[in-house]
Amino acid sequence: GNSVTQMEGPVTLSEEAFLTINCTYTATGYPSLFWYVQYPGEGLQLLLKATKADDKGSNKGFEATYRKETTSFHLEKGSVQVSDSAVYFCALGGVSGGYNKLIFGAGTRLAVHP
Amino acid sequence: EAEVAQSPRYKITEKSQAVAFWCDPISGHATLYWYRQILGQGPELLVQFQDESVVDDSQLPKDRFSAERLKGVDSTLKIQPAELGDSAMYLCASSPRQVDDEQYFGPGTRLTVT
Repeated sequence: GNSVTQMEGPVTLSEEAFLTINCTYTATGYPSLFWYVQYPGEGLQLLLKATKADDKGSNKGFEATYRKETTSFHLEKGSVQVSDSAVYFCALGGVSGGYNKLIFGAGTRLAVHP
Repeated sequence: EAEVAQSPRYKITEKSQAVAFWCDPISGHATLYWYRQILGQGPELLVQFQDESVVDDSQLPKDRFSAERLKGVDSTLKIQPAELGDSAMYLCASSPRQVDDEQYFGPGTRLTVT
């Protein structure tokens, strides 16, 4: 079946450190891949997306590359800030006959300290 | 900026009682989703509407959960009777009709069943 696996958190970093959050997926067909972010007390917001193999999504200094050969979509940022502290969700979509259903991973909590 | 509205934000109810949640999607968005997010897990789709029609309710516990979107605009999700295991965050999202469009999430309703 279709599924998403993320690295377990929490991930704790100092400000300006390099961030990687691993995400791998299992899917039939050709899914689209997404990273959503959930700040404390808020709903999920789309961070970035990629719709086909080798595409790179980027936003706010974050980036992720759709790797079909390794079925991965790892999230990276070169220099994190305290304001990046949140829960990050990897998700795949476009695998349910065209109705845009999203399948989420369990989420990875990031805590950035000054 | 247009947002998805949900109410109430928090709800505490006793086991066996009925509870209802309301969602108002972004104006003009044809697709509406209800997700359940158990603490420490990613959101899981309960039901998806295209206009007023249900297109996916495969994960909706139909013996106790019901959802409607009568005029294809706002939506109500009901649980009757509530069980302890229903304690979770209930998220509503909406998107334009096309596949792979971003889903816009509301702030959610946190349900606690005692």
